[in-house]
Amino acid sequence: SAVISQKPSRDICQRGTSLTIQCQVDSQVTMMFWYRQQPGQSLTLIATANQGSEATYESGFVIDKFPISRPNLTFSTLTVSNMSPEDSSIYLCSVATLNTEAFFGQGTRLTVV
Amino acid sequence: QKEVEQDPGPLSVPEGAIVSLNCTYSNSAFQYFMWYRQYSRKGPELLMYTYSSGNKEDGRFTAQVDKSSKYISLFIRDSQPSDSATYLCAFADRTGGFKTIFGAGTRLFVKA
Repeated sequence: SAVISQKPSRDICQRGTSLTIQCQVDSQVTMMFWYRQQPGQSLTLIATANQGSEATYESGFVIDKFPISRPNLTFSTLTVSNMSPEDSSIYLCSVATLNTEAFFGQGTRLTVV
Repeated sequence: QKEVEQDPGPLSVPEGAIVSLNCTYSNSAFQYFMWYRQYSRKGPELLMYTYSSGNKEDGRFTAQVDKSSKYISLFIRDSQPSDSATYLCAFADRTGGFKTIFGAGTRLFVKA
């Protein structure tokens, strides 16, 4: 199994600002993903973080709003840009390899005021 | 038709009861079947993981996969208040990519 460290665990931010969330894995993994979980909802995939190239975004999510970096096989960041109260959610980093299930970090609880 | 269907509940049972949680799916290419448990204010943690049809048991938990009916179940025996959480079924087809598809989650409350 993979151990995933996600920072920060929570934050309260002013609208119009940006927050960068970090995800560190204890081993090299093939794929890293970013999910959003809005209150009372299930997980919605934001994008797949690709090492050395642009992330692959799901429908409804764009790079300008959610820029993602993945400089190596164990680290990724997600930035939530120009935040509004509607961005208040839990943001989760997840990793998987070809033959394993997905593992999750503990999440970042974001509140935008 | 949604790719995954899961009753959101909530499901409330007395302590000691047998709990049955279920999901249906439509994509016959799914090969990996998972159950995650998510406590309030925490990230999902992997509970059970099966590949292909059949049963898998781990302590009080049994995961069952019926690929012919496109139906998976999670059974919890002798349920405890500490089992109170949201349970998410999840599916993956690794040959088609790395994405994992999640159900909406079922909220379970086990009353002491």
